[in-house]
Amino acid sequence: GNSVTQMEGPVTLSEEAFLTINCTYTATGYPSLFWYVQYPGEGLQLLLKATKADDKGSNKGFEATYRKETTSFHLEKGSVQVSDSAVYFCLRGETSGSRLTFGEGTQLTVNP
Amino acid sequence: DGGITQSPKYLFRKEGQNVTLSCEQNLNHDAMYWYRQDPGQGLRLIYYSQIVNDFQKGDIAEGYSVSREKKESFPLTVTSAQKNPTAFYLCASSTASYNEQFFGPGTRLTVL
Repeated sequence: GNSVTQMEGPVTLSEEAFLTINCTYTATGYPSLFWYVQYPGEGLQLLLKATKADDKGSNKGFEATYRKETTSFHLEKGSVQVSDSAVYFCLRGETSGSRLTFGEGTQLTVNP
Repeated sequence: DGGITQSPKYLFRKEGQNVTLSCEQNLNHDAMYWYRQDPGQGLRLIYYSQIVNDFQKGDIAEGYSVSREKKESFPLTVTSAQKNPTAFYLCASSTASYNEQFFGPGTRLTVL
């Protein structure tokens, strides 16, 4: 079946460090890919998305590029802030709609 | 403001009691979803509904029930048959043809 594999956490960085959270997906169909963020005690918020190969999603300084050749959608940010501390989820959505496949989530802690 | 609401934010129940969690959306979305999240883990799909008066089991439907009598509402009942109901429950919605999901703020259920 379809799956998403995320880099295991937790990840701890100092403020202004470079962030990469790896995400790979199974190469079946033509999925859309998403990164969602969850702050403590809250629901998930869409961070960015890409719907086809070579698309780059970006938001709030975060970026991810849909790479079909490596089946990856790695999340990057050049300079993290303390306020970026949260859990990040990589997801794939199928072209027929409805269900999403979730990665396990990566806890990020940014220290001042 | 358009959005998705869940109530209450915190809910306490005694073991053996059924409890119903509310989810309402005013985004005019056709599809709605219920997820369960346990501490430090990803999300697991309980039930989803793609249209009014129709719903399907997700990956962990046992011990739960839902109804979809109105487009805006998708309540989840946690029954006494659910062996370990204490968790964080998240509701989401999406359009039928595009799979980006919008999440509510969640309900934390604690069974004493």
